[in-house]
Amino acid sequence: RKEVEQDPGPFNVPEGATVAFNCTYSNSASQSFFWYRQDCRKEPKLLMSVYSSGNEDGRFTAQLNRASQYISLLIRDSKLSDSATYLCVGYGGATNKLIFGTGTLLAVQP
Amino acid sequence: EAQVTQNPRYLITVTGKKLTVTCSQNMNHEYMSWYRQDPGLGLRQIYYSMNVEVTDKGDVPEGYKVSRKEKRNFPLILESPSPNQTSLYFCASSSLSGQGKAGELFFGEGSRLTVL
Repeated sequence: RKEVEQDPGPFNVPEGATVAFNCTYSNSASQSFFWYRQDCRKEPKLLMSVYSSGNEDGRFTAQLNRASQYISLLIRDSKLSDSATYLCVGYGGATNKLIFGTGTLLAVQP
Repeated sequence: EAQVTQNPRYLITVTGKKLTVTCSQNMNHEYMSWYRQDPGLGLRQIYYSMNVEVTDKGDVPEGYKVSRKEKRNFPLILESPSPNQTSLYFCASSSLSGQGKAGELFFGEGSRLTVL
């Protein structure tokens, strides 16, 4: 089982919709989590950091559930420009390493 | 402007011809790392460095070398490239100060390498 797992999608949603991605992790020692956004053929860019139970930034909300070992990303009022791949990243544990999920592809349709 | 710069951005080479991909950051970050990204496999770490003269293997180090002689530079060396090293490569850096800051990576724009 992968340490960080994501549904690859694609998630096809209409503009204005609310969409949620889940990311599960297997290493209970992971301390922090991050959501990165990656546009096609571009570098990943940090979207949100999650150090405690959650974080909110405008239309984006990340929540961490340590008991069930998952992190979610909620995007409200989806825009065409939200179309991208969203990478879940866990950090910490004995090796203090970053573990990347393989990403979830979001396509927002007009 | 804070940035991570990789060169070359695109390269086509042949099996066995040594090549180096350079990476430079101007943020005085301690941590630097190289990843390769392949379809369906996501980002996999090749090598990383916690500071000058300190380097460690990541998950897929075979066929690669790195060096960290200066804080700002972290070149990736392919001594004898093979076709299975055809991939998209990303260099990244991060500050190690503060909780979990090592997870807040700044990535270069990527280097697309094709080995024939």
